[in-house]
Amino acid sequence: TQLLEQSPQFLSIQEGENLTVYCNSSSVFSSLQWYRQEPGEGPVLLVTVVTGGEVKKLKRLTFQFGDARKDSSLHITAAQPGDTGLYLCAGPGGSNYKLTFGKGTLLTVNP
Amino acid sequence: GAGVSQSPRYKVTKRGQDVALRCDPISGHVSLYWYRQALGQGPEFLTYFNYEAQQDKSGLPNDRFSAERPEGSISTLTIQRTEQRDSAMYRCASSLDRGLGYPNTEAFFGQGTRLTVV
Repeated sequence: TQLLEQSPQFLSIQEGENLTVYCNSSSVFSSLQWYRQEPGEGPVLLVTVVTGGEVKKLKRLTFQFGDARKDSSLHITAAQPGDTGLYLCAGPGGSNYKLTFGKGTLLTVNP
Repeated sequence: GAGVSQSPRYKVTKRGQDVALRCDPISGHVSLYWYRQALGQGPEFLTYFNYEAQQDKSGLPNDRFSAERPEGSISTLTIQRTEQRDSAMYRCASSLDRGLGYPNTEAFFGQGTRLTVV
């Protein structure tokens, strides 16, 4: 089973600050996805990265896939309280149908 | 429907009872998944259906857990003789036409069933 480790596990910051969360593995992934989960809801897909070194931007969120396709990062600029949630990275779990999730980073943005 | 629907939203049951959790995927979605999620953790894979065929049940913890999707649409996850360690959020997800491991295949998750075994 390919494991995804996320760090930090918890992050509490003030509105307006920047932050980066990480997703790392010892295995190569053909693609990685990032999901955000708000309290009481299911995870919602933010982005999929496929190519090593790829950078994708979604408004204030910047996603990067490592050159070796073993790691990924999510950078948020000028965080807002609405960014609060559990950020999950996920990748194919050894097959084309199984998605394996990391344990997530629980982000709290305080007003 | 507009999204993945799960019922009940909350279930409290006594230890030893059987429970059945229902998932109604997005209409037309071929793939259906069951995940279990502990509070503040990422979802953990339980089982996968392609149409009505259960392709993988390797994540089911033990033989008290079973799942079916007889007509390739609605799925039921059944837990027999529940134990306190079964308490968790059980989430269903569906995707349109292929497995979640393919790039750009999006999983749509339901709101989950919070199971509490007392």
